[in-house]
Amino acid sequence: DAKTTQPTSMDCAEGRAANLPCNHSTISGNEYVYWYRQIHSQGPQYIIHGLKNNETNEMASLIITEDRKSSTLILPHATLRDTAVYYCIVRSNRDDKIIFGKGTRLHILP
Amino acid sequence: GAVVSQHPSRVICKSGTSVKIECRSLDFQATTMFWYRQFPKQSLMLMATSNEGSKATYEQGVEKDKFLINHASLTLSTLTVTSAHPEDSSFYICSASKGWPGGDQPQHFGDGTRLSIL
Repeated sequence: DAKTTQPTSMDCAEGRAANLPCNHSTISGNEYVYWYRQIHSQGPQYIIHGLKNNETNEMASLIITEDRKSSTLILPHATLRDTAVYYCIVRSNRDDKIIFGKGTRLHILP
Repeated sequence: GAVVSQHPSRVICKSGTSVKIECRSLDFQATTMFWYRQFPKQSLMLMATSNEGSKATYEQGVEKDKFLINHASLTLSTLTVTSAHPEDSSFYICSASKGWPGGDQPQHFGDGTRLSIL
């Protein structure tokens, strides 16, 4: 699977939009971009995924660049409960395995 | 939504004991489940792929005789840590997908089992 690069940590003020970037420059045509987050001492929580079109659900929006080499997860109105480690993962539909990188530790500031 | 349940959530036992952890998909069937291990302040590390009705596939460096995996039904996979020692203390997490392999259905994760070996 393609590797992803994310900032180690980010801060965001409560109530503002949190924009989490991810680089996946070696992504191939059949690989999807998935975002998960892990709140302390819990299992990862699925957020959103996409192939090439932008996606939105009740939790977040996913913006994928036209060349698919990077993406941004947007939490529109961050709350303190959004404090977590956010993982951007690229996964092929040939293989169900998910390989986690180090993720971005997002701190929501009151 | 898809729910994956793990049991127990926490276990403390003596060195040399074998510990079984269960992973259940509550509202869907899963032909494949995955087991991860996470040490403090580190990311999740994939240990093995559990395949219903066949042998598990282990990642490089994971001892298959140490970590026994059984996937006897489409809703249950178990991980047994045999003769556990303090270095096996970790957070063990399972995941499962609703779709058939090859689709884009996301993995859903259990809440993990915190194993402490004294």
